[in-house]
Amino acid sequence: KNEVEQSPQNLTAQEGEFITINCSYSVGISALHWLQQHPGGGIVSLFMLSSGKKKHGRLIATINIQEKHSSLHITASHPRDSAVYICAVRKRGSNFGNEKLTFGTGTRLTIIP
Amino acid sequence: EAGVVQSPRYKIIEKKQPVAFWCNPISGHNTLYWYRQNLGQGPELLIRYENEEAVDDSQLPKDRFSAERLKGVDSTLKIQPAELGDSAVYLCASSSDRGHGYTFGSGTRLTVV
Repeated sequence: KNEVEQSPQNLTAQEGEFITINCSYSVGISALHWLQQHPGGGIVSLFMLSSGKKKHGRLIATINIQEKHSSLHITASHPRDSAVYICAVRKRGSNFGNEKLTFGTGTRLTIIP
Repeated sequence: EAGVVQSPRYKIIEKKQPVAFWCNPISGHNTLYWYRQNLGQGPELLIRYENEEAVDDSQLPKDRFSAERLKGVDSTLKIQPAELGDSAVYLCASSSDRGHGYTFGSGTRLTVV
């Protein structure tokens, strides 16, 4: 079983719909990242969370540390939001300040005009 | 700020040939990561540098892969000789102390034919 699980794997929605992507993890973490990857391959960091909720434009990310769960929401979705959204965690308890990220396999989002 | 810069963006080579990728991290970021991402999967760490020291290279296939970060800034990742299974996106990322500002480059898409 992967340490980071995302759902759904694929999501197709109409423009304007409210989108939710979920991430569950099974390890103790110091931070959780939500990343966006477009077909060209480059990754853009959307949020880094250790507690609570963050908002940037139409994107909202929440995390519940006790339940080991995070969600990424997109309001008023647009075709340009079509991408792969990846959840990644930094495990707690390493000897180094900068640990590697452990990634989910991503959610492929397609927004239809 | 330029972000994490990688080159080339795309590379197609024949099997058994050598190939090298280059990464310039964000100025001041002491930690540099090389990830490999196979199609439909999340990135996996190959090597992590703290300044010029490789502190985690446990996932680097050392028989054919090598990396260096001589002055603690730019880094190169080399494969020699390349195999068909090395086709993937190779991502570079950097971060400052304690993982702040975790930023990915656009990646190099390698195709081995």
